[in-house]
Amino acid sequence: QVQLQESGPGLVKPSETLSLTCTVSGGSISSYYWSWIRQPPGKGLEWIGYIYYSGSTNYNPSLKSRVTISVDTSKNQFSLKLSSVTAADTAVYYCAREGYYGSAKDVWGKGTTVTVSS
Amino acid sequence: QSALTQPASVSGSPGQSITISCTGTSSDVGGYNYVSWYQQHPGKAPKLMIYDVSNRPSGVSNRFSGSKSGNTASLTISGLQAEDEADYYCSSYTSSSSWVFGGGTKLTVL
Repeated sequence: QVQLQESGPGLVKPSETLSLTCTVSGGSISSYYWSWIRQPPGKGLEWIGYIYYSGSTNYNPSLKSRVTISVDTSKNQFSLKLSSVTAADTAVYYCAREGYYGSAKDVWGKGTTVTVSS
Repeated sequence: QSALTQPASVSGSPGQSITISCTGTSSDVGGYNYVSWYQQHPGKAPKLMIYDVSNRPSGVSNRFSGSKSGNTASLTISGLQAEDEADYYCSSYTSSSSWVFGGGTKLTVL
């Protein structure tokens, strides 16, 4: 069965760029949509954006100017870059698959905590 | 885009039924049959419970059901069990071709 695993630095300095990778195992990335979602400590979920395996993307309007999501089908990975981070970007970041069950996100990674601090 | 509106908390006794509402606008919940519901236990990743308003993924108990009327979607859990105690989030597609989540509802099983 498909599994997702997030990886990347757990600590990022303010004004720098947060970079995370999600590795897809047990299946091919070459179908479905692949999303990033985050959850600040003690708060709710926030959708960041998604990428289709072909490379087309869509982002949360509130984050659009700072977000880039890319895909590497040869490595079965997709990635998130969030620029000019502040403490407000401190969160657990999840990657997820969508499109198997309608429009919903049916497979999630375990999440990775990213703290923005100097 | 504004988060969908959910009650902060709901509670019920074992065996009872509860309903969690999720209110949006005609640009999200009311405009599309793309509402999904997620269950999240503390420290865990969310789990899909309902997709496209009222469909259950394979393996999800039939005690969970979803519906929608106008701009409000609802998740009903019947025959409450202790293991249902968790946070629940709704999500909807929007007219901006994006997704929005609700603020989350904490379910307490008394």
